[in-house]
Amino acid sequence: GAGVSQTPSNKVTEKGKYVELRCDPISGHTALYWYRQSLGQGPEFLIYFQGTGAADDSGLPNDRFFAVRPEGSVSTLKIQRTERGDSAVYLCASSQGQGEYNEQFFGPGTRLTVL
Amino acid sequence: AQSVAQPEDQVNVAEGNPLTVKCTYSVSGNPYLFWYVQYPNRGLQFLLKYITGDNLVKGSYGFEAEFNKSQTSFHLKKPSALVSDSALYFCAVRDMIAAGNKLTFGGGTRVLVKP
Repeated sequence: GAGVSQTPSNKVTEKGKYVELRCDPISGHTALYWYRQSLGQGPEFLIYFQGTGAADDSGLPNDRFFAVRPEGSVSTLKIQRTERGDSAVYLCASSQGQGEYNEQFFGPGTRLTVL
Repeated sequence: AQSVAQPEDQVNVAEGNPLTVKCTYSVSGNPYLFWYVQYPNRGLQFLLKYITGDNLVKGSYGFEAEFNKSQTSFHLKKPSALVSDSALYFCAVRDMIAAGNKLTFGGGTRVLVKP
């Protein structure tokens, strides 16, 4: 079956612009996660959805970052007024059920470059 | 707060020799531990997990890991490494009491298996 997909695979933008990153989770997975991976580091948690609601957004760095999952499937990560420090690979993952015991399946990521 | 340490940035091993990738963790509750592997330009792939039960867990591609509560470690092992095992390996922990469903990753260990 299809895995987690993310679009675009690469995004280059200018400082101050708005960007949207999309994630299509594995069909039937109710839990969805966003992580950010900077060069040479491990992924860092941003936000977790259970269904349509954000169950934990404690990892969002500031109010320029926002994510939605209106129908409980596809999710969009939105970044306003991008800064050069936002450049990273943004990873999406999904898991079954409540997610406590279940491994997360990751997408290939979106590489964001802010010039 | 939960944290993960991978003390080695890189591990070099000859093909056919045993491979060990070290991981230690810190949590306030019971840990759920995971290993993921990342190949170039690809997403993270799940290898194995420890939730409860036997301290030795077996996973994909011949990998196994041993949970040691007294040493707060979860080292990844493979008895005989292959060149194709060369990749970036991440250890991750979930502390269900203190941190809910989010994973905290270590900084990663690059494995280079030489022919």
